[in-house]
Amino acid sequence: SAVISQKPSRDICQRGTSLTIQCQVDSQVTMMFWYRQQPGQSLTLIATANQGSEATYESGFVIDKFPISRPNLTFSTLTVSNMSPEDSSIYLCSVGPGLQETQYFGPGTRLLVL
Amino acid sequence: GQSLEQPSEVTAVEGAIVQINCTYQTSGFYGLSWYQQHDGGAPTFLSYNALDGLEETGRFSSFLSRSDSYGYLLLQELQMKDSASYFCALNSGYSTLTFGKGTMLLVSP
Repeated sequence: SAVISQKPSRDICQRGTSLTIQCQVDSQVTMMFWYRQQPGQSLTLIATANQGSEATYESGFVIDKFPISRPNLTFSTLTVSNMSPEDSSIYLCSVGPGLQETQYFGPGTRLLVL
Repeated sequence: GQSLEQPSEVTAVEGAIVQINCTYQTSGFYGLSWYQQHDGGAPTFLSYNALDGLEETGRFSSFLSRSDSYGYLLLQELQMKDSASYFCALNSGYSTLTFGKGTMLLVSP
């Protein structure tokens, strides 16, 4: 299994500003993932972050809006840039796969943009 | 693309058995996973079906039929703590998951 921590756990931000979310894993992992979950909705994959290479973004998500860093095998950051109220969501990082293709999720960062 | 359909809400009483269905459309996938998410919490893994048939893990079982593009999660001996959202998800390789919209399970006394 993997233990994942995220910082901050929640934040309230003003539109037009940026927020960087940190994700720390207790073991070295090849792949880290960033998801967004809007209130009461499903999880949507934003991007996959591999150490030593650029992140791979899913359709509808772009690097300018969600730049990602992956400086080592236990850490990643996601920045939400030039925020608008539509960016209000829970942002989760995850790692995997474990046994049976398990994905382990962090506790999430709850972001409210005013 | 991929899409998954599951009921938005299911209600049941303690001690009962409940089945949460999931139908999907995809051009290819490796398996179907199920995750549980309590309000305010992180999704946690419950079960995974790579092959057709039933997988049993304690009170939870999951089923997959590739020919019917259908799966379900079966929860037995329901407890109040099982009240949560349940998501089915298609595993497309490289740990990429596409999630359904989730089913909120409400367990009453």
